[in-house]
Amino acid sequence: DSGVTQTPKHLITATGQRVTLRCSPRSGDLSVYWYQQSLDQGLQFLIQYYNGEERAKGNILERFSAQQFPDLHSELNLSSLELGDSALYFCASSVAGGTGANVLTFGAGSRLTVL
Amino acid sequence: EDKVVQSPLSLVVHEGDTVTLNCSYEVTNFRSLLWYKQEKKAPTFLFMLTSSGIEKKSGRLSSILDKKELFSILNITATQTGDSAIYLCAARGYGGSQGNLIFGKGTKLSVKP
Repeated sequence: DSGVTQTPKHLITATGQRVTLRCSPRSGDLSVYWYQQSLDQGLQFLIQYYNGEERAKGNILERFSAQQFPDLHSELNLSSLELGDSALYFCASSVAGGTGANVLTFGAGSRLTVL
Repeated sequence: EDKVVQSPLSLVVHEGDTVTLNCSYEVTNFRSLLWYKQEKKAPTFLFMLTSSGIEKKSGRLSSILDKKELFSILNITATQTGDSAIYLCAARGYGGSQGNLIFGKGTKLSVKP
């Protein structure tokens, strides 16, 4: 157990729907990162939050949004879902925000299947 | 555009073999390079390298970074079936939007008994 908790583990939904993925970081970690992993693209960085504020944005679609709450847990909202959004979504956490030398600890991921 | 390229994409070896996995990177204001092992789900951390020429070692695994040639290698000696996994290399720049890991597509290692 890495200490990063993600729910749900699996999610099946239909195109056009909206889902919310939840992540609780490791105790003491202030930064939360979201990554998308699909077969052909590898791990793609979506977005990072540090202590409640957005710190960096990667290849996140406009249909996707995220936030980090005062208790430091984070949610990734995916809306108007398309077949191509089917992927494994990872949350990771680290102690600091952007020093460049942090180790990310990953959760077990949420597998989203869009039918 | 920042990128990380790993080779080979897949590799099949027999137990006891030694393997070398390659990772080249182009990252603005490079800060660190990390190796992860992904078996079933969550990538688990192996090494973080920030300085050239200093080997990091953990059991049968070792890794080294060359900041001049912009690459790193991960060596696994006396491979075991439990080493079968996808090995991910990731590079990070310093600060701001570059402060996040750029991952390669991984090398899938299969170790046959």
